[in-house]
Amino acid sequence: EAGVTQFPSHSVIEKGQTVTLRCDPISGHDNLYWYRRVMGKEIKFLLHFVKESKQDESGMPNNRFLAERTGGTYSTLKVQPAELEDSGVYFCASSQFHSRNTYEQYFGPGTRLTVT
Amino acid sequence: SQQGEEDPQALSIQEGENATMNCSYKTSINNLQWYRQNSGRGLVHLILIRSNEREKHSGRLRVTLDTSKKSSSLLITASRAADTASYFCATTDSWGKLQFGAGTQVVVTP
Repeated sequence: EAGVTQFPSHSVIEKGQTVTLRCDPISGHDNLYWYRRVMGKEIKFLLHFVKESKQDESGMPNNRFLAERTGGTYSTLKVQPAELEDSGVYFCASSQFHSRNTYEQYFGPGTRLTVT
Repeated sequence: SQQGEEDPQALSIQEGENATMNCSYKTSINNLQWYRQNSGRGLVHLILIRSNEREKHSGRLRVTLDTSKKSSSLLITASRAADTASYFCATTDSWGKLQFGAGTQVVVTP
C-alpha cells in the first residue's frame, strides 16, 4: 500500500512568487491534515479536511495560504505571494477513523520550502 | 500555544546509552503520541498511549504517562546512531488534530 506522498520534495522560490504544494493521502483516508515546521520550531497545525470539506482551518496563518481538496482525494496548498517567513517544512498527513478519539496519522515526507 | 512541551530541547549521548525525554501538556487528553523526524525526512509515528494506560512498550521504546501530572516520558534503550532524530510528543483533539511540542533533538554518536 502506498503511503502519503508529497510533491515537490523541495522548492526554492523568491519572495513574492507563488508555490503550490501537493499531497496525495493514503487511498481511502477521509482525513487529510496539513502541518508545517518553521525554522526548526514546533510543528504547527494548518488545517484539516474531512473528504473535500474543511473541518478546521484555524491554523492557516493568513489569506496568502489557500488549501483545496477537490473530490476528496489529493490536496493542494498554495502560497501566494510567498514571504520569507513561509520557509519551512510542510507536512501532510492522512488518517481514517479507527475508533473514537484514537487516530493514527500517516505522514508524508514533507516539502521543504525555501523562500529567498 | 503549545499543547506539548518537550524537555530537554537537545540530548547528546553515545551509542548503547539510554535516552530519556519528557513531555508536558496542558489540557485533558484521550491519548498521547510520540513521533520521530529524521533529518530531511517525514514524521514517523512511534507509539500511542491512551489516557487509561500508564506504560507502554514497543521494541526499544518505553513510554509512560502520568495524567495527574499531565506528563509523559519516552525512553529509548540501547540507543543507536540511527536513533539520531527529533522526537515530538503530540496530543489530539476530538477530530484528530495533532498539537505538537517543540521537540527534543537527540544526537547519538558512535
